[in-house]
Amino acid sequence: NAGVTQTPKFRVLKTGQSMTLLCAQDMNHEYMYWYRQDPGMGLRLIHYSVGEGTTAKGEVPDGYNVSRLKKQNFLLGLESAAPSQTSVYFCASSYGTGTSQPQHFGDGTRLSIL
Amino acid sequence: TQLLEQSPQFLSIQEGENLTVYCNSSSVFSSLQWYRQEPGEGPVLLVTVVTGGEVKKLKRLTFQFGDARKDSSLHITAAQTGDTGLYLCAGSNYKLTFGKGTLLTVNP
Repeated sequence: NAGVTQTPKFRVLKTGQSMTLLCAQDMNHEYMYWYRQDPGMGLRLIHYSVGEGTTAKGEVPDGYNVSRLKKQNFLLGLESAAPSQTSVYFCASSYGTGTSQPQHFGDGTRLSIL
Repeated sequence: TQLLEQSPQFLSIQEGENLTVYCNSSSVFSSLQWYRQEPGEGPVLLVTVVTGGEVKKLKRLTFQFGDARKDSSLHITAAQTGDTGLYLCAGSNYKLTFGKGTLLTVNP
C-alpha cells in the first residue's frame, strides 16, 4: 500500500542550484497537487494537475515549474533555488475535485536552501 | 480569496480533558474536510462533512458543519496522548483551501 511516495525525503541545496522533487502515486488518481508548508502559513498550493499532460498554477507558483508526463508522476522543479524556498513540500493526489473527494498526501520532502 | 481561520492556533491539555477547535470562514463551502497531521508525516483525512448542520462522529471525535456551511468544529472527548497532532480543516469548492491548523498537545 504505497499510496503517494515522495523522493527525496530530505535535501540541502545552495542558493542558485536546481533540483527536481518527484511524486509518484499508485492509486490511478487523475488529480495531483504540490503544496508547501511553512510555520504559521499552513498548506499553500503551488501547482496542480487535472490529468496527464496538463498543469495549472496554484496560489504560490513563482520560482517553481511542474510536469505531468505520466499519470502516476508529478514533478516539481526549482530552477534556481532561493532561501525563501526553504520549506516542507507535500505532494497529494485525488480521484477528482468533487466536493467530497479526499486528498491523499505523501510524507513530504524537507528542503533547505543555504 | 477564500480564507479559513482556525482557532486556537495552539492547545495544550491533559489527558482525559475535553476540547473543541474551530474552523471559520466568511465563504460558503460545498464541503469541509478535517485532516490530522503527525510530525514527519503528511496530513491524513479524518472526515468530510457535506450538509449544513451535519454531525459526524468518529469514536471520541465529533465533527459539526455549520448550518450556513461557513464554519465547522471538532470536539474531542477524553483526549488521549495519541490525539496529539496538527488538525487542519479544508474547505472545498472544487479546490481545497486549507486553514493554518490547530496544534494540539495532549500531555500524560
